[in-house]
Amino acid sequence: EAQVTQNPRYLITVTGKKLTVTCSQNMNHEYMSWYRQDPGLGLRQIYYSMNVEVTDKGDVPEGYKVSRKEKRNFPLILESPSPNQTSLYFCASSLFGPSTDTQYFGPGTRLTVL
Amino acid sequence: QQPVQSPQAVILREGEDAVINCSSSKALYSVHWYRQKHGEAPVFLMILLKGGEQKGHEKISASFNEKKQQSSLYLTASQLSYSGTYFCGTAPDMDSNYQLIWGAGTKLIIKP
Repeated sequence: EAQVTQNPRYLITVTGKKLTVTCSQNMNHEYMSWYRQDPGLGLRQIYYSMNVEVTDKGDVPEGYKVSRKEKRNFPLILESPSPNQTSLYFCASSLFGPSTDTQYFGPGTRLTVL
Repeated sequence: QQPVQSPQAVILREGEDAVINCSSSKALYSVHWYRQKHGEAPVFLMILLKGGEQKGHEKISASFNEKKQQSSLYLTASQLSYSGTYFCGTAPDMDSNYQLIWGAGTKLIIKP
């Protein structure tokens, strides 16, 4: 089954404790992206990747890191999480860029930073 | 700049029609529509491209007015399953192929 998977689905952590949210797709998509979703603000892009070893900042990259060492995986790293990073996070992928292609979203990761 | 969606929320009875609008202050290359049910991931509905091409859902229609920089999503004879939050995403041009700018969403509630 074609899908985007994320882990963990739920995470409660404390300020400053490094964490990684994994994202994997099995559709051989070139483009992958991370979004955060907060009430009333819609989807805001954190980072995106056009292909292996090619990443760029989205609209809200501060406090986050990403890497794309393999085509299928695009982990999101929070080196020192803070309470303002409490949010719902989605990973998404598309065959090429999102302006012309369907984006497939993962199930989401609900992160709480205390 | 974030596109503006209207209305912010709408409540309908099953079988009624709904129109959701998405307006941008910038010229648009494409408009994308997604639906998100509570606690779930957004799901693709439709893409409208400059020049008239459309890709998407058979039972949902949409329009794209390039001159007015806006798109409308038409939900006819609404069903309970149509409930959710609808988001539009916009791409200003082909060169910005790597980012969509998303609206804040329109919450649609369908009552039996």
